[in-house]
Amino acid sequence: GDSVTQMEGPVTLSEEAFLTINCTYTATGYPSLFWYVQYPGEGLQLLLKATKADDKGSNKGFEATYRKETTSFHLEKGSVQVSDSAVYFCALSDTYSGGSNYKLTFGKGTLLTVNP
Amino acid sequence: DTGVSQDPRHKITKRGQNVTFRCDPISEHNRLYWYRQTLGQGPEFLTYFQNEAQLEKSRLLSDRFSAERPKGSFSTLEIQRTEQGDSAMYLCASSFQETQYFGPGTRLLVL
Repeated sequence: GDSVTQMEGPVTLSEEAFLTINCTYTATGYPSLFWYVQYPGEGLQLLLKATKADDKGSNKGFEATYRKETTSFHLEKGSVQVSDSAVYFCALSDTYSGGSNYKLTFGKGTLLTVNP
Repeated sequence: DTGVSQDPRHKITKRGQNVTFRCDPISEHNRLYWYRQTLGQGPEFLTYFQNEAQLEKSRLLSDRFSAERPKGSFSTLEIQRTEQGDSAMYLCASSFQETQYFGPGTRLLVL
């Protein structure tokens, strides 16, 4: 079945540091890939997405590129801020799931803490 | 666009009691999903509606769980005879096509 593996956290960085959170996936069809972010006490918010190989999703300075050859969708940001502290979830939606219900399969999440 | 809303935000109950949660999706969205998130884990799919039809249920959804979406608008998730293992965050999401938008969740604690 489908699965998503994220790098173990927590990740602690200083402000303006470079961020990478690794994500790899296993899927039977042609998945779309997502990064969601969960700030303390809030629900999940869509951060970015990519729907096909070599697509790059970007938002708020974050980027991720859909790499079919390595089945990866790593999240990067060049200069993190304290306000980026949150839990980040990688997820996939397998459009080959027999009816296109688009249900999401999530990784376990990575807690990011950015210190001033 | 008021977003997805869920009610209540928090629920504490005693083992064996029944609980019901409500989700109001974004108005033009025909797809509605329920997920469960336990501490330190990512959300796990429970069930999916397209309009009023419940089209898929996860094996996680035991017989004690039931979900409805009358008239294809709001949805309810009921848990009967709650157990301590049901303690989790219950998330609702809605979509028009592929991208899902999540509500704030209902946190359930079963004592």
